Amino acid sequence: NAGVMQNPRHLVRRRGQEARLRCSPMKGHSHVYWYRQLPEEGLKFMVYLQKENIIDESGMPKERFSAEFPKEGPSILRIQQVVRGDSAAYFCASSPGGKLLQWELSYNEQFFGPGTRLTVL
Amino acid sequence: ILNVEQSPQSLHVQEGDSTNFTCSFPSSNFYALHWYRWETAKSPEALFVMTLNGDEKKKGRISATLNTKEGYSYLYIKGSQPEDSATYLCAFSNQGGKLIFGQGTELSVKP
Repeated sequence: NAGVMQNPRHLVRRRGQEARLRCSPMKGHSHVYWYRQLPEEGLKFMVYLQKENIIDESGMPKERFSAEFPKEGPSILRIQQVVRGDSAAYFCASSPGGKLLQWELSYNEQFFGPGTRLTVL
Repeated sequence: ILNVEQSPQSLHVQEGDSTNFTCSFPSSNFYALHWYRWETAKSPEALFVMTLNGDEKKKGRISATLNTKEGYSYLYIKGSQPEDSATYLCAFSNQGGKLIFGQGTELSVKP
């Protein structure tokens, strides 16, 4: 029973390039959360997705960042025209799905992947 | 703005010592409090999800308590071992499931 997979584990990009980070949730999980850890800071929520839907993107920067979780395949966090300030560790977490009420989502344990460390030169 | 505060930031103890850390969170609109253990170069690993005021949870030598009225949770480790060395994170969850993390308490246990 594989855990949450993220790839690549390390990604180096030059300023202005695009970064694509992938997250495969645990088998049977249909909820995906992305978090970012900037240097010397804690984990910060970015976006919460269910299959084919963005549920909460309140933590996403307004420009250059986008996320998707298609019906088939992994969730993708995409950063266009990267800048040095985007250098961080990006973690995704998954939790079991099903038709949960909003308040039930709070109780769901989230299983974290190993993270992708993005370095922008 | 929702703030989750953890103290102390770091802690150094000897093997066999018992220790505890604090997590403070907003007491209004509370749904759940999550504790995670995060070893270097690994993924954060869930320890507890706590929801009810007065909740106490235990896993081996690690236990946690919850006070939602005053907005704090304590994590206790009894008889610390070197393998307990890690960063311990707490996270507040309101409706919708997103986690708001504290900065963590970094525990180092010396043999």
